[in-house]
Amino acid sequence: GENVEQHPSTLSVQEGDSAVIKCTYSDSASNYFPWYKQELGKRPQLIIDIRSNVGEKKDQRIAVTLNKTAKHFSLHITETQPEDSAVYFCAALRRGSNYKLTFGKGTLLTVNP
Amino acid sequence: DTAVSQTPKYLVTQMGNDKSIKCEQNLGHDTMYWYKQDSKKFLKIMFSYNNKELIINETVPNRFSPKSPDKAHLNLHINSLELGDSAVYFCASSPGGGAGYEQYFGPGTRLTVT
Repeated sequence: GENVEQHPSTLSVQEGDSAVIKCTYSDSASNYFPWYKQELGKRPQLIIDIRSNVGEKKDQRIAVTLNKTAKHFSLHITETQPEDSAVYFCAALRRGSNYKLTFGKGTLLTVNP
Repeated sequence: DTAVSQTPKYLVTQMGNDKSIKCEQNLGHDTMYWYKQDSKKFLKIMFSYNNKELIINETVPNRFSPKSPDKAHLNLHINSLELGDSAVYFCASSPGGGAGYEQYFGPGTRLTVT
């Protein structure tokens, strides 16, 4: 089955800096890659996603890049703010898997004011 | 309007008891899921239903039994609770099929088994 590796497990940045979180996936049949943000005690919320026919997608301060050949995708957050502090999860969905999302183990991002 | 709701939010119970968690979505989605998030925050899928039909059944103890009375509801019943069942359980839903893969999560149910 699909396996998703996520790095780093923790990331600490200063407010205003950029943050990058990287994920690799194992199954070349995966075609949908969402990113979720989970604040402490809250539900995971979708912040951005990308499909395999696109190399990059941007939404204000967040962007996701996908390299299908290397089977990796990354989340980029620019001009970080304290409210960006949360756990971020990447995930991959394989075609024909009955919509099964396989999640990475999460990255705890701390933005220091 | 709450899109995906779960009850209860907290559940504290003793080993050996049986308990249920309920989930409802008002998004008109075809597919619903149960996830378990353990103390290390790892999110693992347990079950998925599409239009009341079970389509994903991961390797979970058969003490866990999902039930979907209609496509807007997915409940989780747990028999003979064990200490290791303590976790946060999230329900989620997605449009399914060609309508989209985005999954929307409920607020979670924190289960504590003592």
